Amino acid sequence: IALTQSPGILSLSPGEKAALSCRASQRVRSSYLAWYQQKLGQAPRLLFYGASGRAPGIPDRFTGSGSGTDFTLTISRLEPEDFAVYYCLHYGDSAPHTFGQGTKLEIK
Amino acid sequence: EVQVEQSGAEVKKPGATVKISCKVSGNTLGAYNVYWIQQAPGKGLEWLGLVRPGGGTLYAEHFHGRVTLTVDRSIDTAYMELTSLRSEDTAVYYCAIDRDYQVLPYIDWGQGTRVTVSS
Repeated sequence: IALTQSPGILSLSPGEKAALSCRASQRVRSSYLAWYQQKLGQAPRLLFYGASGRAPGIPDRFTGSGSGTDFTLTISRLEPEDFAVYYCLHYGDSAPHTFGQGTKLEIK
Repeated sequence: EVQVEQSGAEVKKPGATVKISCKVSGNTLGAYNVYWIQQAPGKGLEWLGLVRPGGGTLYAEHFHGRVTLTVDRSIDTAYMELTSLRSEDTAVYYCAIDRDYQVLPYIDWGQGTRVTVSS
């Protein structure tokens, strides 16, 4: 399964709402779709699993949604620390896992 | 608390082999899935492969044949070996672990190991 993230770069201001898209080339079984945040020089951090399951410690301004082939990560009110690169990941049992190419969320 | 510690930076010549380690402390590695991810400079995350608790492996087609993933459970350490290195393999390599990918996949990550391939 190939994952396509859009947009490639999203320029917004603190306080605004962000919507990041991840589209799969085939239906994602059991919503095995996760989101990760990566800041410069750091390892990625898990945000959501199973499309909408929030990982421990992730603020509720972050929401994961979607099913089938279309998934969205929404950040309701951007904080300065939210500006980073976000990746979606398809995972599962029997096939190689794949990352999307990433969306860079930058300060406008 | 589980901690994941990777080995240090490597500089290799084209055609050489690199072997990176990933040590887990705070729990037994044998209970975990171990994943390996490549990140070239300024690029995104690329999945390399995984090792399951039972020892089964799965590799990305792009790297199949050049990468070997192993685990030494006696010392709670996983290894990633990449052969026939070329300049395009210059990257940071991460290991990540989870106990159950259906809940909290890739929940803990190592700090990354920088590999530079240069003549």
